[in-house]
Amino acid sequence: GAVVSQHPSWVICKSGTSVKIECRSLDFQATTMFWYRQFPKQSLMLMATSNEGSKATYEQGVEKDKFLINHASLTLSTLTVTSAHPEDSSFYICSARVERTSGSYEQYFGPGTRLTVT
Amino acid sequence: GQNIDQPTEMTATEGAIVQINCTYQTSGFNGLFWYQQHAGEAPTFLSYNVLDGLEEKGRFSSFLSRSKGYSYLLLKELQMKDSASYLCAVGYNTDKLIFGTGTRLQVFP
Repeated sequence: GAVVSQHPSWVICKSGTSVKIECRSLDFQATTMFWYRQFPKQSLMLMATSNEGSKATYEQGVEKDKFLINHASLTLSTLTVTSAHPEDSSFYICSARVERTSGSYEQYFGPGTRLTVT
Repeated sequence: GQNIDQPTEMTATEGAIVQINCTYQTSGFNGLFWYQQHAGEAPTFLSYNVLDGLEEKGRFSSFLSRSKGYSYLLLKELQMKDSASYLCAVGYNTDKLIFGTGTRLQVFP
């Protein structure tokens, strides 16, 4: 259980174009999903928290107008990188929050999307 | 501020035991997580500690001392497939995670 998928797994786009990445919870509903970015040989950096039916909350330093997040259903969150530039090239990973029986939370991660902007 | 420290790289031989340390200073604490990440793949969950002490799960064990802001991941009977990055992450603000930079472990035959 608790499988998260992402699509596409990799994408190459030209500078100035926009790219949409989908994150789906396949066998459970997720009211909260998270979007991370990971540069080579670095750890995951939280970009934003995606909440179903409401606006995403962004971490400090992340441009909300550049990274558009939509969480329109309980199983799908999308991240759109608008006007992409080469410095946006990175590994984008989503996760879905799952509540444990103890009341604490756990995150299950998608397989990631590698974005290359040329 | 938020700070999580791990060694950058470690090496070990097949069949051996390795301990990966993690120290943290965070404004909140809802538990400490360890994840394994192979190159180009997403992290997979290994362990979760919220109380002090040792949690054992097969070949992997994780230890937490909240008063010292310290955790370690212990890997026994190392296998070649254990070569990966190991990420220490602290939970805060109910359900958010902040990750350390990760420790890249190489297992040699």
